Amino acid sequence: RKEVEQDPGPFNVPEGATVAFNCTYSNSASQSFFWYRQDCRKEPKLLMSVYSSGNEDGRFTAQLNRASQYISLLIRDSKLSDSATYLCVVKAGGYQKVTFGTGTKLQVIP
Amino acid sequence: DADVTQTPRNRITKTGKRIMLECSQTKGHDRMYWYRQDPGLGLRLIYYSFDVKDINKGEISDGYSVSRQAQAKFSLSLESAIPNQTALYFCATSETAYNEQFFGPGTRLTVL
Repeated sequence: RKEVEQDPGPFNVPEGATVAFNCTYSNSASQSFFWYRQDCRKEPKLLMSVYSSGNEDGRFTAQLNRASQYISLLIRDSKLSDSATYLCVVKAGGYQKVTFGTGTKLQVIP
Repeated sequence: DADVTQTPRNRITKTGKRIMLECSQTKGHDRMYWYRQDPGLGLRLIYYSFDVKDINKGEISDGYSVSRQAQAKFSLSLESAIPNQTALYFCATSETAYNEQFFGPGTRLTVL
């Protein structure tokens, strides 16, 4: 089983739709969680950290479920500019081992 | 100006050649990382450095070496490039182990 797993997609959604991605992780000792966004051939950029109680940033909501070992990202009112690949990142271990998921591709359609 | 820069941005080379990729940062972070990204495999850690005197191997360090010349500079070398090292290479920095990582724009390396 991969340490961090994501559905590669693509998720093709119309503008204005709500879309959700999940990311599962295998290491129960994982401590920090993030969602990054990566545009085609560009560097990954932090979208948001994921906190235990869940957190929201505008149209984006992140949730953590430690019992089932997954994090989620919900995007409301999708915009064309949301089209990108979304990477799940999990940190664990004494030296904060960082594991990136392979990403979920989102395509928002006019 | 970008906080994390990488040179070159694109490079085509031949099997057996020595290649150096350079990374510079102005964020003042002690921690620096080198990753490679391949389609379907995600980002994989090659080497990381917590300060100038502390360099550590990541999950795929074979065939690579690094040099931390200063807090702001971290170079990745391929001593004898091979075709399966063709990939997109990213440098990243972070303030602490718990904070986000900031990535450079990447170097697209092709080994023929």
